[in-house]
Amino acid sequence: DGGITQSPKYLFRKEGQNVTLSCEQNLNHDAMYWYRQDPGQGLRLIYYSQIVNDFQKGDIAEGYSVSREKKESFPLTVTSAQKNPTAFYLCASSKGQGTRPQHFGDGTRLSIL
Amino acid sequence: GQNIDQPTEMTATEGAIVQINCTYQTSGFNGLFWYQQHAGEAPTFLSYNVLDGLEEKGRFSSFLSRSKGYSYLLLKELQMKDSASYLCAVREGTDKLIFGTGTRLQVFP
Repeated sequence: DGGITQSPKYLFRKEGQNVTLSCEQNLNHDAMYWYRQDPGQGLRLIYYSQIVNDFQKGDIAEGYSVSREKKESFPLTVTSAQKNPTAFYLCASSKGQGTRPQHFGDGTRLSIL
Repeated sequence: GQNIDQPTEMTATEGAIVQINCTYQTSGFNGLFWYQQHAGEAPTFLSYNVLDGLEEKGRFSSFLSRSKGYSYLLLKELQMKDSASYLCAVREGTDKLIFGTGTRLQVFP
């Protein structure tokens, strides 16, 4: 079955440490997205990519970095510059423009040790 | 600025009908999506509206009025499994989605 796979499901970060969240899709989707979800808040866009080797900052990109070397993969690195990284991180993909919805992975819950 | 408003919480009884409202003010509009999200899980797509009017899909319907910046999601014949958060999202431009904070619906027997 086609879908979006995020790993790990739970992740713990120590102070000063960078961590990378994985997102892989086999839906042949062009666009991929990273969102952050905090309790009582909506999904906020961190970064998105519409084609390989290109990506744009979303609304809360500070303290995060991404790469898009392959169509299927869009990893997110939470750097030590992100001072409040505890959140639920969701990766999504879509075929692109028009009516097509974004499809989401099952998420990674990141906590600080 | 961008603003999408939804009620924070709603409750309803099994078998009843519930309407979840969403109002939006965005710099652009290229469609409105509704997603369902169970606690700790991924959002799943429910419906899409880009023209005014009602879209029906089984027990779920979604309505849009672009002139009023208003949409609602109507859930009929409520079931216990419908207890979840319902997210309203507006597409600005070609691809970016702006999400509301979500409405947490609790269905009681």
